[in-house]
Amino acid sequence: NAGVTQTPKFQVLKTGQSMTLQCAQDMNHEYMSWYRQDPGMGLRLIHYSVGAGITDQGEVPNGYNVSRSTTEDFPLRLLSAAPSQTSVYFCASRAAGRYNEQFFGPGTRLTVL
Amino acid sequence: AQTVTQSQPEMSVQEAETVTLSCTYDTSENNYYLFWYKQPPSRQMILVIRQEAYKQQNATENRFSVNFQKAAKSFSLKISDSQLGDTAMYFCAFRGGNEKLTFGTGTRLTIIP
Repeated sequence: NAGVTQTPKFQVLKTGQSMTLQCAQDMNHEYMSWYRQDPGMGLRLIHYSVGAGITDQGEVPNGYNVSRSTTEDFPLRLLSAAPSQTSVYFCASRAAGRYNEQFFGPGTRLTVL
Repeated sequence: AQTVTQSQPEMSVQEAETVTLSCTYDTSENNYYLFWYKQPPSRQMILVIRQEAYKQQNATENRFSVNFQKAAKSFSLKISDSQLGDTAMYFCAFRGGNEKLTFGTGTRLTIIP
């Protein structure tokens, strides 16, 4: 049971490049989310999904796309990277039910030059 | 929208002492859930403790306990007999009816040997 996995751990992009951050979970969780963490700002929700085929925007969705074709995978796409997207990105998953613990991946540190 | 406020950006305490981290939140909902997460230097997000709003009894997990004051919308975390391994960022988080987890900006706690 690997929990929530994210790849890559580190990435450097140039402005305008695109890339996909991968996220997978093996706990059969319905809910998956992407957050970004910036100094002094805590974790902010980018996009989330309550099941395969269902996604919705969070607090800071601009510049990011997601899709959820399977229960296990929830990739985050940066369409045209900007320096403002330099951050640490966390993927998380949990079972349905608001009391349930949210499990986080190890994070991806992204730098956009 | 719900907001979560952590007014102490940094705290430090001697090993074996007790420390209390503050958290306040703003919501018009009556049924919600509150969480404290720990983020050590490894960057991994770890659930410390959680509280259901409709339960008056304060949650406890070993050396960690909360003081939940629903009317005051306050949810502080007390760490007893602090240990060096407690050094981390601590985030307070709120989950209401929209199922999203909203985080505060965090408190950096340092345990001094």
